[in-house]
Amino acid sequence: NAGVTQTPKFRVLKTGQSMTLLCAQDMNHEYMYWYRQDPGMGLRLIHYSVGEGTTAKGEVPDGYNVSRLKKQNFLLGLESAAPSQTSVYFCASSLMLNEQFFGPGTRLTVL
Amino acid sequence: GNSVTQMEGPVTLSEEAFLTINCTYTATGYPSLFWYVQYPGEGLQLLLKATKADDKGSNKGFEATYRKETTSFHLEKGSVQVSDSAVYFCALSDLVGGSQGNLIFGKGTKLSVKP
Repeated sequence: NAGVTQTPKFRVLKTGQSMTLLCAQDMNHEYMYWYRQDPGMGLRLIHYSVGEGTTAKGEVPDGYNVSRLKKQNFLLGLESAAPSQTSVYFCASSLMLNEQFFGPGTRLTVL
Repeated sequence: GNSVTQMEGPVTLSEEAFLTINCTYTATGYPSLFWYVQYPGEGLQLLLKATKADDKGSNKGFEATYRKETTSFHLEKGSVQVSDSAVYFCALSDLVGGSQGNLIFGKGTKLSVKP
């Protein structure tokens, strides 16, 4: 099992550009999550999904959109990137409501 | 709302020293409590968890006891190693407001262990 994988690992964008981050899990988990990690802020939940075709907002959803068209994939989109979205993004998944399994992260820089 | 407060770092210890990282929480109901660890350049990994009061979670020599009376879940290890150098996150499961059991994280404590 690969667990949770994220693509790409690194990306540099200019302000106003768009991009999509891909998260994939092979554990047949129902729940998937997107977090951002910033220095001194811990992890903050952006969006999450409780099953295929469903999405919901987390703590910091503004400027992001998500889609869960397939159970194993959870996409995070930035339509018009801003410097404030420079961060490390982590995807996670879980079978039950508790333990979450994390991907290795995507480091995004917006210039 | 629910929240987690953990001691700020960084924490620097010598090898074989005793480690305590404090974590307190505010929650309604009876959340589950977790410690996650993040090694440099990696994602978070579950270290241990406890699901009810007085439960003790343990793994790799680390322990934490769910104390409802003090709303705490302090992480301890009797003898740290250089390989324990990482960032440690305390978290609780949010069971209110239809949030589907999402995790609420503390801000993390960076531990550096010197040989």
